[in-house]
Amino acid sequence: GAVVSQHPSWVICKSGTSVKIECRSLDFQATTMFWYRQFPKQSLMLMATSNEGSKATYEQGVEKDKFLINHASLTLSTLTVTSAHPEDSSFYICSVRDRRQETQYFGPGTRLLVL
Amino acid sequence: AQSVTQLGSHVSVSEGALVLLRCNYSSSVPPYLFWYVQYPNQGLQLLLKYTSAATLVKGINGFEAEFKKSETSFHLTKPSAHMSDAAEYFCAVTSNTGNQFYFGTGTSLTVIP
Repeated sequence: GAVVSQHPSWVICKSGTSVKIECRSLDFQATTMFWYRQFPKQSLMLMATSNEGSKATYEQGVEKDKFLINHASLTLSTLTVTSAHPEDSSFYICSVRDRRQETQYFGPGTRLLVL
Repeated sequence: AQSVTQLGSHVSVSEGALVLLRCNYSSSVPPYLFWYVQYPNQGLQLLLKYTSAATLVKGINGFEAEFKKSETSFHLTKPSAHMSDAAEYFCAVTSNTGNQFYFGTGTSLTVIP
């Protein structure tokens, strides 16, 4: 199956700083990637759909100016949390859609802690 | 609209006992259904999926699930629980034309030695 990597796996930052998280599709070229957020003991919440070469599509209630998404190539999407605050502390997971297998494959996640 | 409901946020079974995790779906179009497992501080790993082929789907680690249209269910089972099965399990639904996966709230499985 597809392999998806994320970097970094965890990050601690001060309030007000920006953090960039990378998501890479290692097995195939992905025109579409997804970004999810997961709070402790809760399910995944879709934040946005990242489209290669075009603007991301954000879910209702997700601030696009705060969570910047760039999908510059067919294997890389980045999520930048700008001016991070403690309430942004969460587990961020990306996924890649494999249309041939009609499945999403998930990255290992990035745990963000904002102090 | 599509959604899934997972009954039971916590399930405990003894080692060697049957595992049954429940998932019911709602979909206005033929659904594609998935079970994912998540170990602590890790991403989601695909266990199995139903995409309109055989209704009984076998996955990894001895898990299987049966798609029952009449009951709108896709329950996950394993005949004999192992300690390593302790994890969070998520059921998800999508359609063959949709990008978005709709996840259930998850079921935490505890295996008692």
